[in-house]
Amino acid sequence: GAVVSQHPSRVICKSGTSVKIECRSLDFQATTMFWYRQFPKKSLMLMATSNEGSKATYEQGVEKDKFLINHASLTLSTLTVTSAHPEDSSFYICSARDRAGGNTEAFFGQGTRLTVV
Amino acid sequence: QQPVQSPQAVILREGEDAVINCSSSKALYSVHWYRQKHGEAPVFLMILLKGGEQKGHDKISASFNEKKQQSSLYLTASQLSYSGTYFCGTVLMTTDSWGKLQFGAGTQVVVTP
Repeated sequence: GAVVSQHPSRVICKSGTSVKIECRSLDFQATTMFWYRQFPKKSLMLMATSNEGSKATYEQGVEKDKFLINHASLTLSTLTVTSAHPEDSSFYICSARDRAGGNTEAFFGQGTRLTVV
Repeated sequence: QQPVQSPQAVILREGEDAVINCSSSKALYSVHWYRQKHGEAPVFLMILLKGGEQKGHDKISASFNEKKQQSSLYLTASQLSYSGTYFCGTVLMTTDSWGKLQFGAGTQVVVTP
């Protein structure tokens, strides 16, 4: 199956700093990528839909200015957590499809565990 | 818009069967099932697209009742490797063409020897 690579896998940052997480589709072009957040023993909460060359679409309740998403190419989307605070600590995970629509498998990255101290 | 999953958790002995249910209050285009091990990314199991469709993957199978907007995942003759948290993800009929996948709360499955 297709491969989605996410980097870094773990990051610890100080409160007030920004952290960038990268999501790459390695062997296919992903016009759309999705960003999720997962708290311990909880479900994956969709944060935003990232579209190549256009603004991301955020889910209700997700702060656009705090979670900046850039989808600069067909193989790369980035999530930047700005001015991070301890409550932003979580498992962030991206996914992508190699075709548009909801009838195909979504490939997930390995996830990034963010700890804000 | 998130689907509702039940039960929250199930403990099985190796060889036993279990059923995990997923339901939506809105019309569904597709249902996706994933399994996640602790600290890892979700692993794809299967997609169900049409009402009444059934699929199987080894001894894990699923059904999709489009009319009832429900899907069930069947773990048959469970193996130790089946342990993990199972998530159903749904794509709504009314969703945009991107096919946003919304996940249920998950069902923790523990298979014991």
